[in-house]
Amino acid sequence: GEDVEQSLFLSVREGDSSVINCTYTDSSSTYLYWYKQEPGAGLQLLTYIFSNMDMKQDQRLTVLLNKKDKHLSLRIADTQTGDSAIYFCAEVYTGGFKTIFGAGTRLFVKA
Amino acid sequence: NAGVMQNPRHLVRRRGQEARLRCSPMKGHSHVYWYRQLPEEGLKFMVYLQKENIIDESGMPKERFSAEFPKEGPSILRIQQVVRGDSAAYFCASSPDSNEKLFFGSGTQLSVL
Repeated sequence: GEDVEQSLFLSVREGDSSVINCTYTDSSSTYLYWYKQEPGAGLQLLTYIFSNMDMKQDQRLTVLLNKKDKHLSLRIADTQTGDSAIYFCAEVYTGGFKTIFGAGTRLFVKA
Repeated sequence: NAGVMQNPRHLVRRRGQEARLRCSPMKGHSHVYWYRQLPEEGLKFMVYLQKENIIDESGMPKERFSAEFPKEGPSILRIQQVVRGDSAAYFCASSPDSNEKLFFGSGTQLSVL
């Protein structure tokens, strides 16, 4: 079946690192994505990783992929108040070529 | 290159009325996806369309909901005889091909009174 699971809330202090975790079900997914949603807006692609990679770094963002455990994580270094948003993990479900999203993790950054 | 355009931004309907939500994909994108987001919930896939074809509608309720993506013009998500439970944010996304990252519109917030 199709399922992407994330923890719902994360609270960190400004300047700390944030780690958002996600588990997925489709082991044949080619791409795994992280999207960011700010209040009242649509989703914006933050970063993505190919399934044949273990890690991808993009400035303050680090994505780690454990294919064996079907676990994906997003680390935000030096978290800022502007990073407060909902972060969605997503996989492209190869059964139907549609993108399946988790419920989203609400990141609160305290000044 | 304009992004994905959705309109209206907000739509208020009374129970029993029809709601029509429009989505113009990014230029050059022929794949359109509709998602529904309920308060405090994630995005639920509804339907995936290519020009003039419905590819996957497994997430769409069997009754009252329909979607199209004609050869010319925007994609339309149509909800007939709306009920209060239809109140949600409806997001459209487009991509140049399947299995590609999605570009989202700002959504239509549907409120059913």
